[in-house]
Amino acid sequence: RKEVEQDPGPFNVPEGATVAFNCTYSNSASQSFFWYRQDCRKEPKLLMSVYSSGNEDGRFTAQLNRASQYISLLIRDSKLSDSATYLCVVAGADSWGKLQFGAGTQVVVTP
Amino acid sequence: DTEVTQTPKHLVMGMTNKKSLKCEQHMGHRAMYWYKQKAKKPPELMFVYSYEKLSINESVPSRFSPECPNSSLLNLHLHALQPEDSALYLCASSQVRLAGGDEQFFGPGTRLTVL
Repeated sequence: RKEVEQDPGPFNVPEGATVAFNCTYSNSASQSFFWYRQDCRKEPKLLMSVYSSGNEDGRFTAQLNRASQYISLLIRDSKLSDSATYLCVVAGADSWGKLQFGAGTQVVVTP
Repeated sequence: DTEVTQTPKHLVMGMTNKKSLKCEQHMGHRAMYWYKQKAKKPPELMFVYSYEKLSINESVPSRFSPECPNSSLLNLHLHALQPEDSALYLCASSQVRLAGGDEQFFGPGTRLTVL
């Protein structure tokens, strides 16, 4: 079983709509959680860290459910520029600094 | 603008060549990382340096040799590579703060082609 699992998508989303997707992680010892976005042929860019209390950054909301071992990302009022692959990233299960990446969820926002 | 820079942006090399990838960060971070990423796959960790000391080597073949000359610089020396080593090589840096691992900031990468 993979350490971090994501629905690969693609999620085809009309502009202005809301989209949400989850990621599950297998190791309950995981301590830090992040969402990154990656555009085609570019580097991953940190979107947000995910805290136990949940957090919001503009149109983006992240939630962490430790009991069920999943993280979610919700994007409201989707923009064309939100089209990207969203990587769920988990840290701290094995050794410091070793991030476990999910395979990514592709989001395509259409006009 | 990224505060982690990588050179070169693109590199084409033969299997007998020796080349180096360079990475520099200007964020005062004390951990730096090398990743390899193939198309449509997530990044794969290669090496971690913490306080200029190698702390993780993910069983990377010896034809890849990392070097951390100081807290801002990270090099990856390449020798006798194989065509399957063609990939995007990403450098990242982070603070050393959280118990499990801090958010990492990536450079734009070097796209390597081995002929």
